[in-house]
Amino acid sequence: SAVISQKPSRDICQRGTSLTIQCQVDSQVTMMFWYRQQPGQSLTLIATANQGSEATYESGFVIDKFPISRPNLTFSTLTVSNMSPEDSSIYLCSVGGRTQETQYFGPGTRLLVL
Amino acid sequence: DAKTTQPPSMDCAEGRAANLPCNHSTISGNEYVYWYRQIHSQGPQYIIHGLKNNETNEMASLIITEDRKSSTLILPHATLRDTAVYYCIVRVGGGATNKLIFGTGTLLAVQP
Repeated sequence: SAVISQKPSRDICQRGTSLTIQCQVDSQVTMMFWYRQQPGQSLTLIATANQGSEATYESGFVIDKFPISRPNLTFSTLTVSNMSPEDSSIYLCSVGGRTQETQYFGPGTRLLVL
Repeated sequence: DAKTTQPPSMDCAEGRAANLPCNHSTISGNEYVYWYRQIHSQGPQYIIHGLKNNETNEMASLIITEDRKSSTLILPHATLRDTAVYYCIVRVGGGATNKLIFGTGTLLAVQP
């Protein structure tokens, strides 16, 4: 399985500001995914990020609010822009396994917006 | 939307087998059944997946009915550390359509 790290692990931010979350993988992967988990809820997919192409966003998520970078096969960032308290969530990245049949998750970034 | 239905919660005695059911009556022929779990405040952990046949690994067993409309995840000897939310997910296997659509899951509480 892949080893995935995320930075920061948690943060408290003021409304109107932006936060960039980093996801680092210990091996090269084709597919990277970003999820959001609101308090007490299940995970919701935000977007799929492939290296060298624009991210593909799910319904209800837009690039202006959640810009994503994927500069190489081991790294991606998700920015939460112009934050409001409703953005308080856990943000998780995940990657496809070598066979693409499995997906592994990072530890998550816990964001609180005041 | 998630294509699976799971009970919201279950209890299990420590040391006993935990049997977690999942209904996926609209599953397509090329869709796999995946199980993940999320222990409080951690990222989801992959457990097991299967297409048609029953599967077993060091963590659990997956029993899929012959018509593939339902499945059961079995933890043979539950421990307190198995307390978590368990998610059953159907997904097209391999390739570009790799995304996982999570439902609400089952909160398994292992009791001492």
